[in-house]
Amino acid sequence: QVQLVESGGGVVQPGRSLRLSCVASGFTFNTYAMHWVRQAPAKGLEWVALISYDGRDKPYADSVKGRFTISRDNSKNTLYLQMNSLSVEDTALYYCVRDQLGSLDYWGQGTLVTVSS
Amino acid sequence: DAVMTQSPLSLPVTLGQPASISCRSSQSLVHSDGNIYLNWFQQRPGQSPRRLIYKVSERDSGVPDRFSGSGSGTDFTLKISRVEAEDVGVYYCMQGTHWRWTFGQGTKVEIK
Repeated sequence: QVQLVESGGGVVQPGRSLRLSCVASGFTFNTYAMHWVRQAPAKGLEWVALISYDGRDKPYADSVKGRFTISRDNSKNTLYLQMNSLSVEDTALYYCVRDQLGSLDYWGQGTLVTVSS
Repeated sequence: DAVMTQSPLSLPVTLGQPASISCRSSQSLVHSDGNIYLNWFQQRPGQSPRRLIYKVSERDSGVPDRFSGSGSGTDFTLKISRVEAEDVGVYYCMQGTHWRWTFGQGTKVEIK
């Protein structure tokens, strides 16, 4: 069965960096695009970034462009999100999500990032 | 970017009664391949989102047939034919046609 397990969240000061990871299992990781989607406390869902199956294409939401970098290591079945210059507005639960041709079919449980001084 | 606008944002419903949620896009969601990548997700309290509907009207495996999706171009609807207690949660539409995917604000369904 498909499993997506995020890690790397925590409490970090404004301006600092954090790297999230997502280990995938139960499917052929290197044939699927992957996404990060976040949800601020008591707020709605916000799409963050996408990475194509081969890592070549990486569109980002305007809110994170230039600060966040999505990447993947297909040899390790792992998706990453490098987050730099964090601000309090980045506080959210970050979900790793599998792409399925214009849709998102499997979601992880999320990892919580709290940006606070 | 396509802006997705849902209405209503709050929907109190009586058990056994129908419910309907609207989702409107600021641009056509017809992809160059001819498909419309409009999705609906359910998020129950304390849980990760779960996909219900993809490509406007295709229901995911295991999703009860009381859920249905319809629409075209820029206007879409999720209908629940008879609301059950387990349907309480927030429902989101999302477009995957235009890169930089976007979600609606969410509609909170609760029991009256």
